[in-house]
Amino acid sequence: GAVVSQHPSRVICKSGTSVKIECRSLDFQATTMFWYRQFPKQSLMLMATSNEGSKATYEQGVEKDKFLINHASLTLSTLTVTSAHPEDSSFYICSVPIGSGGSYNEQFFGPGTRLTVL
Amino acid sequence: GQQLNQSPQSMFIQEGEDVSMNCTSSSIFNTWLWYKQDPGEGPVLLIALYKAGELTSNGRLTAQFGITRKDSFLNISASIPSDVGIYFCAGPGGGADGLTFGKGTHLIIQP
Repeated sequence: GAVVSQHPSRVICKSGTSVKIECRSLDFQATTMFWYRQFPKQSLMLMATSNEGSKATYEQGVEKDKFLINHASLTLSTLTVTSAHPEDSSFYICSVPIGSGGSYNEQFFGPGTRLTVL
Repeated sequence: GQQLNQSPQSMFIQEGEDVSMNCTSSSIFNTWLWYKQDPGEGPVLLIALYKAGELTSNGRLTAQFGITRKDSFLNISASIPSDVGIYFCAGPGGGADGLTFGKGTHLIIQP
């Protein structure tokens, strides 16, 4: 599988500020990474697909201008939560897919970033 | 979009007991994945299933891909305290090969 790291592991910020979360694939070059969000006691929900060298694609209902994604290299994707508000407080988790033939059969997740917006 | 119904929502069992949970979908899946998530951490992949009828084991864990391709189950034999956590089924169905997750089964083990 892939080893995935995230930084920071937790962050507390004031309402209106922006927060950047990094996702790194430590042992696998990933042209695609995924970003998920998990609210307390709920399941993971896909937010967006991060594509190296091209724009990210966002799921319905996810604001692309609020959640900026940059896939800077084959090992790094960043998610920036702009003008954060308390309702953005959540657990943000990235994943690296591994598969063949264009089909991503297995995804390996980072440890997550806990965002708390005051 | 595709939905996954996972049951039971929670289980309270005694250490040493066997556990069974299942997942059904409203449409056909080509892949079933089972993950375990501990509090404050990301999900960890337990078992991946690729063929209808496939039965795969990983230690005390066994999972099967239903013949109809619309369901899967996960069994844990002889549960131990470290099995505590939330178990999720998942399959491709999110955008661009992202995953759709079930709501999870919260496993609690009583000593």
